[in-house]
Amino acid sequence: AQSVTQLGSHVSVSEGALVLLRCNYSSSVPPYLFWYVQYPNQGLQLLLKYTSAATLVKGINGFEAEFKKSETSFHLTKPSAHMSDAAEYFCAVSPGRGAGSYQLTFGKGTKLSVIP
Amino acid sequence: DSGVTQTPKHLITATGQRVTLRCSPRSGDLSVYWYQQSLDQGLQFLIQYYNGEERAKGNILERFSAQQFPDLHSELNLSSLELGDSALYFCASNPAGGTDTQYFGPGTRLTVL
Repeated sequence: AQSVTQLGSHVSVSEGALVLLRCNYSSSVPPYLFWYVQYPNQGLQLLLKYTSAATLVKGINGFEAEFKKSETSFHLTKPSAHMSDAAEYFCAVSPGRGAGSYQLTFGKGTKLSVIP
Repeated sequence: DSGVTQTPKHLITATGQRVTLRCSPRSGDLSVYWYQQSLDQGLQFLIQYYNGEERAKGNILERFSAQQFPDLHSELNLSSLELGDSALYFCASNPAGGTDTQYFGPGTRLTVL
């Protein structure tokens, strides 16, 4: 079984400041981990994913995340926030290879506000 | 644009009614997933189909059912609707139902009055 905890349902940062969105996971098998972004009234867009290769994963729009097995974490960061980053961010986990099904288990989401 | 299409975009109906949501996966994708996004439950996996057959079931109510047709489009049927069924329903697809990235459609917003 998998679960995801996202710390902070709402995070506010100033434009140009560091973005840090926290995600901790629980998985009974080696996980694959994902960050998706949802803009208002839109679907989910993949930002990046970890699939057991490099632990530091780079994604679109300058985001990156680091897989830390010892901490069961997959925090999302961006060095400098832009106004266009304002959206809701979801961390998700699925079983890694060898599982029968690969549905995503999502966290509750973190709404990011960027202050000019 | 992910290449996944969902219709309708919005649906308003009354309690006790039945509705059908439609999803067309990306060209070439054999697997379709349905998710429900609600304020209290968040994003939850409902059901997965692969090449016409049910592959996995999540927190899907007995009043809900789905199918995938030979042309690979999928329909989610919701019956005996309750106020609590009001939510965004997303469809996602990927090529083989495995660990490939799931690409999400824009969703159907269902409002039950």
